[in-house]
Parts: sequence; structure tokens; C-alpha cells
Amino acid sequence: AQRVTQPEKLLSVFKGAPVELKCNYSYSGSPELFWYVQYSRQRLQLLLRHISRESIKGFTADLNKGETSFHLKKPFAQEEDSAMYYCALKGYSTLTFGKGTMLLVSP
Amino acid sequence: NAGVTQTPKFQVLKTGQSMTLQCAQDMNHEYMSWYRQDPGMGLRLIHYSVGAGITDQGEVPNGYNVSRSTTEDFPLRLLSAAPSQTSVYFCASSYEGSYNSPLHFGNGTRLTVT
Repeated sequence: AQRVTQPEKLLSVFKGAPVELKCNYSYSGSPELFWYVQYSRQRLQLLLRHISRESIKGFTADLNKGETSFHLKKPFAQEEDSAMYYCALKGYSTLTFGKGTMLLVSP
Repeated sequence: NAGVTQTPKFQVLKTGQSMTLQCAQDMNHEYMSWYRQDPGMGLRLIHYSVGAGITDQGEVPNGYNVSRSTTEDFPLRLLSAAPSQTSVYFCASSYEGSYNSPLHFGNGTRLTVT
């Protein structure tokens, strides 16, 4: 069975502080992992995917197979980063989401 | 390019009523799916389809039916609405032919069952 765990429901930081949103997964095969973001009153959208090893809006995420983790990081948080973040794992035919972490960045 | 279009945006039903949530995509995506989003529960997969004529159950399929008669459309039917089905419903699609194809989401339908 595939499972995604996001241990924090809410993460509150001040502007300019580093951010790390945690994601751990359980999957027997080779994982495909994503981070999706939902800004207030907007649709969910892809933020980044592990295969691309890209940095989007200053966010990065590294797949650590030994720790089965895919944590999302940003060195300096901005107020516009406030949103709901979902980690997702793609299995054979379906995408399993974590329960999400709400990131609040205060001025 | 409309992407994924969901209708209606809002709906209020009484217990026992039936309705269909519409979802259409114009990207020629093979894969389509329905999720419900509930506070503290994240997104849970209801049903999905890997192509026209093929559907399968997700994590929480009870109380919902789907069909996929065309590539573009993937309606979600509630046969007898219950208060437990109060939620925000998202339709999503992707092109399964490429590795790591991302999901494209609709704007969601907020359903309240009284």
C-alpha cells in the first residue's frame, strides 16, 4: 500500500525565516513524488516534482530514499508563500496525497 | 485553453437527493480522477479512469458512481446524497503517456448536504 504522511497540520513562520515542510512516504516500488500547492481561493497546482530536481518560487525538495522522505524547503519565506501544501505519491495508476500542511508566513 | 472545467461551483442538496457533478477537460488527457477535500483529511481519491470506457474505485468510492463515455468528460454521480458527502470535490486529469505527468485540477465544487 502507498501512504504519504505530512506530520504538521500548520506551520507558522515569520517572513524571511527558513521553511521546511515535512513529507514521508511508504511505497514498495520506485516512487514518483510531487508537491502541490493551493493558494487561497485557487485551484490546486503542481509546485514541483522530484524527477525535475528544479527550484520553483525558491522551493526545493530532495528525495531521500533511505529516509523515505521528500521534504519541501525554502531558505527565506515570503508572505505570498502562505498556502496549503500537499505532498503526493504516484503509484501504479493513482496519486495519493498527504493530509496537507498549512503554511502561514507572518510579516 | 480551458483546461479542466467543473460545474457547478456550489451546490446545496437535501438528504436523499441525487445530482451529477460535471467535469470536462480539453487537453486530450487519458487519465481523469475525482477527489474530495475535507479538513484534516487532505485529498482522498473517489474514482478514477485511465481512458474512455475504463473506470476504477479509489479510496472512498461508496455513495458515488462514475462513467467515462468520452475522453473529455468524467461526471461524478451522487445517487442519494448524505450529510457525510458535504465536501469540496475536485476533478483532475493528466496525460499518462509521459513519466511524471502532473495532475491538472479543476476549480472545485463545494457541495453541502443538509
